[in-house]
Amino acid sequence: EIVLTQSPGTLSLSPGERATLSCRASQSVSSTFLAWYQQKPGQAPRLLIYGASRRATGIPDRFSGSGSGTDFTLTISRLEPEDFAVYYCQQYGGSALFTFGTGTKVDIK
Amino acid sequence: QVQLQESGPGLVKPSQTLSLTCTVSGVSISSGGYYWTWIRQHPGKGLERIGYIYYSGRTYQNPSLKSRVTISVDMAKNQFSLKLNSVTAADTAVYYCARDRGILLDGYYYGMDIWGQGTTVTVSS
Repeated sequence: EIVLTQSPGTLSLSPGERATLSCRASQSVSSTFLAWYQQKPGQAPRLLIYGASRRATGIPDRFSGSGSGTDFTLTISRLEPEDFAVYYCQQYGGSALFTFGTGTKVDIK
Repeated sequence: QVQLQESGPGLVKPSQTLSLTCTVSGVSISSGGYYWTWIRQHPGKGLERIGYIYYSGRTYQNPSLKSRVTISVDMAKNQFSLKLNSVTAADTAVYYCARDRGILLDGYYYGMDIWGQGTTVTVSS
């Protein structure tokens, strides 16, 4: 099983700042199979990024994804108040190869 | 637009069967192309995929739950369902249904783009 470790566990930032979230895989993951989700308290997760760098429908361009191999990054260029949430990466390598990351909470400093 | 809505008991007794239904609107399950998925989230924890069903009836269950999980589909009602038997307190969680687009022709995995709001299930006597 591929383990996805996200860091940091918590990121404390102010609105307007840049957020850089890391997702590290225990073995190489195809970038085409890497997704990111945002989850706000009491809500379901929302798809932000798929294929490591493609924004899902309706996602603002302040969200961007990058990476390859075992290291992937979600960047929020300028944090808006609604961006404070928990973020999960997820990889899909086939039916049996599907895991979520441990999550990074972005909270207000 | 496409919407998913979970329904089912919020309280289940230990050793009994948890039964949830996800009603899909805006798209027909029988039209194919999607993996209709159950995800759960333990209180304050991360996300865990329970399994999915494809329109053909093919299913996949998380190996850690496989012996207790049944996922089925009712095309006529445009619903898919989850049954988890022999529940314990460890099955207390928020349960989500979601649409997983899988890998499309361009080779990209398109992710889980539509989610239900989630339903809280507590296992307690």
